[in-house]
Amino acid sequence: EPEVTQTPSHQVTQMGQEVILRCVPISNHLYFYWYRQILGQKVEFLVSFYNNEISEKSEIFDDQFSVERPDGSNFTLKIRSTKLEDSAMYFCASSGEGGTSNYGYTFGSGTRLTVV
Amino acid sequence: GNSVTQMEGPVTLSEEAFLTINCTYTATGYPSLFWYVQYPGEGLQLLLKATKADDKGSNKGFEATYRKETTSFHLEKGSVQVSDSAVYFCALRDSNSGYALNFGKGTSLLVTP
Repeated sequence: EPEVTQTPSHQVTQMGQEVILRCVPISNHLYFYWYRQILGQKVEFLVSFYNNEISEKSEIFDDQFSVERPDGSNFTLKIRSTKLEDSAMYFCASSGEGGTSNYGYTFGSGTRLTVV
Repeated sequence: GNSVTQMEGPVTLSEEAFLTINCTYTATGYPSLFWYVQYPGEGLQLLLKATKADDKGSNKGFEATYRKETTSFHLEKGSVQVSDSAVYFCALRDSNSGYALNFGKGTSLLVTP
């Protein structure tokens, strides 16, 4: 069964450093997403991406965040200057037609980001 | 705005017990409702869904019915197994709010032999 792959599974970074989280969505999917889950809290939507541009973003997704699909297969989330409160599990997801696939999204296993 | 409220966990049950995990929602439009499951060390997997009122989603013995009158989508299973131990997330996608999923906090389930 097709999978969404995320790397690394765990990343530790120092406060103020830039970090890039990587995802390989399912190859024939058109919509890509990032979500995050701070420990003990709910999964929160960050951003969706379609046709090489952001289609939706939440208020969490401020100027320190950016997304890119650099080469047609990878989908990355960059955090420019990490803060302690960016520590969370970050999930990538992809879906077929406009997120209305009968089977919902396919999520990756997540990257646990720890900012120290 | 949209929100999803789930019962607090953790929930601990013996094998073959009946499971209910409550989920209620608020939405401005006509939401689709989902249950996702996260097994230890894995990503979020879609368990079941319902796209309109009175729809019943079902999968792997789990069921949930979209109740518009009570704005609920409670997850049930008649006889749980140890392998059902996981975190369960209720989520909605509101037709007025694009394609983003709005999740509940998740409910941890532990099934003991």
